[in-house]
Amino acid sequence: QKEVEQDPGPLSVPEGAIVSLNCTYSNSAFQYFMWYRQYSRKGPELLMYTYSSGNKEDGRFTAQVDKSSKYISLFIRDSQPSDSATYLCAMRELIQGAQKLVFGQGTRLTINP
Amino acid sequence: ETGVTQTPRHLVMGMTNKKSLKCEQHLGHNAMYWYKQSAKKPLELMFVYNFKEQTENNSVPSRFSPECPNSSHLFLHLHTLQPEDSALYLCASSQDWDTDTQYFGPGTRLTVL
Repeated sequence: QKEVEQDPGPLSVPEGAIVSLNCTYSNSAFQYFMWYRQYSRKGPELLMYTYSSGNKEDGRFTAQVDKSSKYISLFIRDSQPSDSATYLCAMRELIQGAQKLVFGQGTRLTINP
Repeated sequence: ETGVTQTPRHLVMGMTNKKSLKCEQHLGHNAMYWYKQSAKKPLELMFVYNFKEQTENNSVPSRFSPECPNSSHLFLHLHTLQPEDSALYLCASSQDWDTDTQYFGPGTRLTVL
């Protein structure tokens, strides 16, 4: 079983729709949860970062973490064509002076005008 | 130049060639990373350098050899690669090795013939 599972998509939605992207994980020791956005021919950029269970909002983006279910989500409200990209979830565990960072496969998202 | 830059952006090499990838960060960070991104696979962390010292080597084959002469520069020396090594190689940096925010370069698209 992979440590982090993410549906690769592709996911295609109309402009203005609410988008829900999800990842599940098996390692209960993950402490930090991140979402990265990667445009074509670019490197990933950090979009959201959360530490604890609950919601974190930043503009049109909301990150949600449910540690009991080992499930994280990214919601995009009022989606725009410029949101079309691949979204990667990532999780981090700090172990005695070292870190373990694991990424999901990425979900390719297209917002249609 | 700002952020994280990588050269070359594209590289085609034969299995017997020796080449090097270069990464430079202009952010004053102390930690630098090499990642491999293959199609339909999660991003894989290859090497971590913190204050020029290698802190992680995630079971990467010896045909990949990193070098970090200072905190701003990171190289990945390649020799006798295999076709399955074809991928996007991403460099990233962060303030320190355990910092949540990593800034990625645009990557080098490597094709091994």
